[in-house]
Amino acid sequence: QVTLMESGPVLVKPTETLTLTCNVSGFSLSSGRLGVTWIRQPPGKALEWLAHIYSNDEISYRTSLKSRLTISKDTSKSQVVLAMTNMAPADTGTYYCARIRYYERRKAFDTWGQGTIVTVSS
Amino acid sequence: DIQMTQSPSSLSGSVGDTVTITCQASQDISNYLNWYQQKPGKAPKLLIHDAFNLETGVTWRFSGSGSGTDFTLTIRTLQPEDVATYYCQQYENLPLTFGPGTKLDI
Repeated sequence: QVTLMESGPVLVKPTETLTLTCNVSGFSLSSGRLGVTWIRQPPGKALEWLAHIYSNDEISYRTSLKSRLTISKDTSKSQVVLAMTNMAPADTGTYYCARIRYYERRKAFDTWGQGTIVTVSS
Repeated sequence: DIQMTQSPSSLSGSVGDTVTITCQASQDISNYLNWYQQKPGKAPKLLIHDAFNLETGVTWRFSGSGSGTDFTLTIRTLQPEDVATYYCQQYENLPLTFGPGTKLDI
């Protein structure tokens, strides 16, 4: 059974760095046409893709946030970590990690974590 | 960035109805489109991939069609458990982008 679970701080202050961890089980972070993505959702708003990392270590970032984001993985721990610097109140929302499966150009987020709520406030 | 729009933004149906949600891309995305269902307070769930392929385990009542810039999600024999917000998402280009969502009530 494939599962993903996000963890991290509930509250961060403006200008601080947010570090979120996605613990995965039921699949490998280093093999197969698979990867992990981070997606966020401001309260009452739509989904926004942030970044992903594939099993072959290929990484992509949302261009508008690229300077603030770092995604990495620890295969031995089955973890994917997202760091976002210089947090602001507009970054408040629910952060999801999800598994990507891909084949050639095709890709889909086929399994999602439950999400973790992050509030940015002083 | 490829902009995704959806219509309507909300709709209401009755049990047993058939409803249709449309999604439009700002440029040709071939069939590089997925549909997700997000129930209140829950994470999204993949329903349809590559515009018309039903994800394993998803009920036949959901179907997708379209290519290029115009796509459709159809829900047949509406059930109370279909109450959710539905999102389309393109993967033709980075950044991967989602539509604004369509909220469905019963």
